[in-house]
Amino acid sequence: SYVLTQPPSVSVSPGQTASITCSGDKLGDKYICWYQQKPGQSPVLVIYQDTKRPSGIPERFSGSNSGNTATLTISGTQAVDEADYYCQAWDNSVLYVFGTGTKVTVL
Amino acid sequence: QVQLVESGGGVLQPGRSLRLSCAASGFTFNTYAMHWVRQAPGKGLEWVAIISYDGDKKYYADSMKGRFTISRDNSENTLYLQMNSLRAEDTAVYYCARDAGETDACDIWGQGTMVTVSS
Repeated sequence: SYVLTQPPSVSVSPGQTASITCSGDKLGDKYICWYQQKPGQSPVLVIYQDTKRPSGIPERFSGSNSGNTATLTISGTQAVDEADYYCQAWDNSVLYVFGTGTKVTVL
Repeated sequence: QVQLVESGGGVLQPGRSLRLSCAASGFTFNTYAMHWVRQAPGKGLEWVAIISYDGDKKYYADSMKGRFTISRDNSENTLYLQMNSLRAEDTAVYYCARDAGETDACDIWGQGTMVTVSS
């Protein structure tokens, strides 16, 4: 099976940069996307194809993917960015797989 | 606007069956593959199944194979998930989501419907 591992939690001060990692075997060979999920709400796509932002997603969200690690970066983090974040990839063994999820806390 | 609305969730006993529906609007439903994704209470997202735009191809997560069936009615712009032999561990919010094509991402999600399996 294919597993995507994320840190359970990340804390960041307002205005600072938050980095959320997603690790998997040869992850850089796959497309990664990232979802934001606030309590009681549905997931929202914030990054697709490693680095692209859907319409309406603020520029402070960016992504990268290389080697075995993908990273979601939130620059100038705001209180509204406090949420759970999930990476997701496609792998031919398990098809679609989600990461374990990271809770971002803005202190 | 583009919208997905799930329905059909509820509380039921182990071993029973349930069919979830997802009504799509605001986009050309029959040109998109569609997913079901679930989330157990307090847990992460788990992919369930995908169906091609025309319904010809269906793929499932291993843990759901043989018990769950994904289907669609393009004339009604509706996606379905038939769940049989339900277990307590199937308790979750079930989301339908639109496949964004070659990006391997889900770009539109419904609000979810809760399924509780309990004796």
